[in-house]
Amino acid sequence: QLVLTQSPSASASLGASVKLTCTLSRGHSSNAIAWHKQQPEKGPRFLMKVNSDGSHSSGDGIPDRFSGSSSGAERYLTISSLQSEDEADYYCQSWGTDIRVFGGGTKLTVL
Amino acid sequence: EVQLVESGGGLIQPGRSLRLSCTASGFTFGEHAMTWVRQAPGKGLEWVGFIRWKAYGGTAEYAASVKGRFTISRDDSKSIAYLQMNSLKFEDTAVYYCAREDGGGISSWGQGTLVTVSS
Repeated sequence: QLVLTQSPSASASLGASVKLTCTLSRGHSSNAIAWHKQQPEKGPRFLMKVNSDGSHSSGDGIPDRFSGSSSGAERYLTISSLQSEDEADYYCQSWGTDIRVFGGGTKLTVL
Repeated sequence: EVQLVESGGGLIQPGRSLRLSCTASGFTFGEHAMTWVRQAPGKGLEWVGFIRWKAYGGTAEYAASVKGRFTISRDDSKSIAYLQMNSLKFEDTAVYYCAREDGGGISSWGQGTLVTVSS
């Protein structure tokens, strides 16, 4: 069963960097994932796709402060030079032949 | 520019039916799977279902929570995806988003439409 696990919350200071983690369940460590950002009272926005080899492809207009990487069953989203507008919920998403799955989301607070 | 516009949301009584539409533009609609996602008030994103594009059979898959009650269809000639929701329950209250897929991953989102199930 495909399950994605995210920490409920994270925080970091303005101008600093933060690394968010999405963990794939056993047997799915080769899955690619997508990262999505949702600011308060707004719809989600696609950030990037991260493959198992750590390569990633970003959506249109996504700043290069956002990057993706992988290690085993973990997929990461790193945000550098944090800005106030980065305060948001971040969701990972993956898929199988007949299913799509979201992680529970990480609420990022910029201090 | 990819645009997805949902419509058809509103206030509906439990047990009734509602059909949502997702009108797409800015890309070749018929060459992408389309997904519906919902978000209940104060909750996270929940996948509802998706429909494959014709080259992969045009068939749909659903989350267990809606299987047998919801149906996804598409009209490639009009670039519209539909979500038919029957036997609505209080717990179906949510903002419903349609999204474009690229190889299983969502690559574009609509702005969402609110469905409120209440008596």
